[in-house]
Amino acid sequence: SQKIEQNSEALNIQEGKTATLTCNYTNYSPAYLQWYRQDPGRGPVFLLLIRENEKEKRKERLKVTFDTTLKQSLFHITASQPADSATYLCALDNQAGTALIFGKGTTLSVSS
Amino acid sequence: KAGVTQTPRYLIKTRGQQVTLSCSPISGHRSVSWYQQTPGQGLQFLFEYFSETQRNKGNFPGRFSGRQFSNSRSEMNVSTLELGDSALYLCASSLTDRSNEQYFGPGTRLTVT
Repeated sequence: SQKIEQNSEALNIQEGKTATLTCNYTNYSPAYLQWYRQDPGRGPVFLLLIRENEKEKRKERLKVTFDTTLKQSLFHITASQPADSATYLCALDNQAGTALIFGKGTTLSVSS
Repeated sequence: KAGVTQTPRYLIKTRGQQVTLSCSPISGHRSVSWYQQTPGQGLQFLFEYFSETQRNKGNFPGRFSGRQFSNSRSEMNVSTLELGDSALYLCASSLTDRSNEQYFGPGTRLTVT
């Protein structure tokens, strides 16, 4: 069965640095991959969606890459700020195309 | 544009009872999905509705059910509650389906005692 793994549960970086979060998946090639941000006690907020035919997508300080050969997506936040501290989730469709599977998330802490 | 709303926000129930949660999607959105979030399992897909029809269902027992009304509002029901059903239940809406960006509500925190 397909698995989706986010590289680490927690990532601590200094303000101004670039945060890089990893999402790895196994066993098949999804048509798209989504990234969400979740703050404690709140619902996830959509950030970016990247499709299999796109190598990279950007939105302001955010950049997502999608490497279907490595079965990996990288999520970058440049010039990170303490306000970027949150849990970041990646999600993709299961192989049957019947459900969206979420990773467990990476909790990013940006210190000033 | 108003966001996704969920009611109630918090709920405490006793084992064996049943519960109904409500979700109002963003105006114009026809797809509503439900998720269960727990610290151990993370976010897990429950079901997806589109135009009053259940399009997909996750790997949950039959005690979990849902429906969607003609105005796209959705409800989910959990019968014969178990302690393990304690979780944050999230509803998400999108224009057509989950392959587009989804907008999540704040969730309903259910505690089963």
